[in-house]
Amino acid sequence: EVQLVESGGGLVQPGRSLRLSCTASGFTFGDYAMSWVRQAPGKGLEWVGFIRSKAYGGTTEYAASVKGRFTISRDDSKSIAYLQMNSLKTEDTAVYYCTRDFDWLLWFDYWGQGTLVTVSS
Amino acid sequence: NFMLTQPHSVSESPGKTVTISCTRSSGSIASNYVQWYQQRPGSAPTTVIYEDNQRPSGVPDRFSGSIDSSSNSASLTISGLKTEDEADYYCQSYDSSNRGVFGGGTKLTVL
Repeated sequence: EVQLVESGGGLVQPGRSLRLSCTASGFTFGDYAMSWVRQAPGKGLEWVGFIRSKAYGGTTEYAASVKGRFTISRDDSKSIAYLQMNSLKTEDTAVYYCTRDFDWLLWFDYWGQGTLVTVSS
Repeated sequence: NFMLTQPHSVSESPGKTVTISCTRSSGSIASNYVQWYQQRPGSAPTTVIYEDNQRPSGVPDRFSGSIDSSSNSASLTISGLKTEDEADYYCQSYDSSNRGVFGGGTKLTVL
């Protein structure tokens, strides 16, 4: 059974940093791309970024709203994807979901339950 | 980049059929696959349609997807509506670099 479990969320002050983790199980992690999607309270879904599998170069893409501040990485030996968030803003407050993805098709076929990040002073 | 526009809300009675549209602002809707997700309150989204018109295993055939190049839009149709279908529905596509785009979401009320 595919499982994705996010961790690392919490309350953080504006301008500070936070790192989220996504621990995967039930599939060969290294064979898949991984994405992060967020949802602000009461709002819609927003794609944050993704990381390709090593077979596709392990490269990353980001939404314009987070480019230069957020970094996605992966540790295939541990089946973990990370989202490093720097220079956080109040508008980054959201539930952050980790999703399994495909290198050739941006389809989020499995989702974690999400972790809440609150940016506030 | 392009935008995907959905109606804010739709409502229909149990047993009826409802269609939710998703219009792409620029570029062809056929250029990149469209996915549809269902999100119930307090839960993570789940896929109901992928690659324009494919249903994952476990999704009933009451759910169907299509694209229409003439209107540059995708559609999600749910037939035989059930109260359990009440949820938010999001369309999603991507650009040539696999950067994702979501529609704003449609709240479906089954009353």
